[in-house]
Amino acid sequence: AQSVTQPDIHITVSEGASLELRCNYSYGATPYLFWYVQSPGQGLQLLLKYFSGDTLVQGIKGFEAEFKRSQSSFNLRKPSVHWSDAAEYFCAVVAGGGADGLTFGKGTHLIIQP
Amino acid sequence: NAGVTQTPKFRVLKTGQSMTLLCAQDMNHEYMYWYRQDPGMGLRLIHYSVGEGTTAKGEVPDGYNVSRLKKQNFLLGLESAAPSQTSVYFCASSPSWVQETQYFGPGTRLLVL
Repeated sequence: AQSVTQPDIHITVSEGASLELRCNYSYGATPYLFWYVQSPGQGLQLLLKYFSGDTLVQGIKGFEAEFKRSQSSFNLRKPSVHWSDAAEYFCAVVAGGGADGLTFGKGTHLIIQP
Repeated sequence: NAGVTQTPKFRVLKTGQSMTLLCAQDMNHEYMYWYRQDPGMGLRLIHYSVGEGTTAKGEVPDGYNVSRLKKQNFLLGLESAAPSQTSVYFCASSPSWVQETQYFGPGTRLLVL
């Protein structure tokens, strides 16, 4: 069965500093990987996704992620964070044969220090 | 274009009561999903549908039923609510294949006493 691990429950970053959120997956076939963001009291919004091709994918709000098959990782990065980036971030992988829903990690709570 | 909407936004139930959560999407999407979100657990798939008239079980289906009588609506039912079903419920939809972006509703917060 597929699984997603986000090792960091909370991360605190100063405004303007760089950010990296870690995600490791376990999946037998070629994974389809996603990063979603959830602002307080809101639903989830897609930041970016990887299906195939270029292993560095660009997303919205200045985020990017790099797929590394050898490390089973799909880490999310941003060169300079803004206070509005404070939110919960979820890494996810598609489940089963494709028709099923997403399998989510438990999330990383990002805190931005002024 | 409202996207994905959920009704109600918040509900308090007593143990044993029943209720139905409504999800509606106006994007003509084929696939619809129900997730629950619990602290420290991320989101877990309850049930999903790949088209009108179809439903399938996800990771945590026990205690829930669903129906997709119309393409734009996906209903989640709790026949006899239990405190363990206290959670935030999210509905999502995607155009077709699951690799497509899923669009999420704002969530329904349910408290079972």
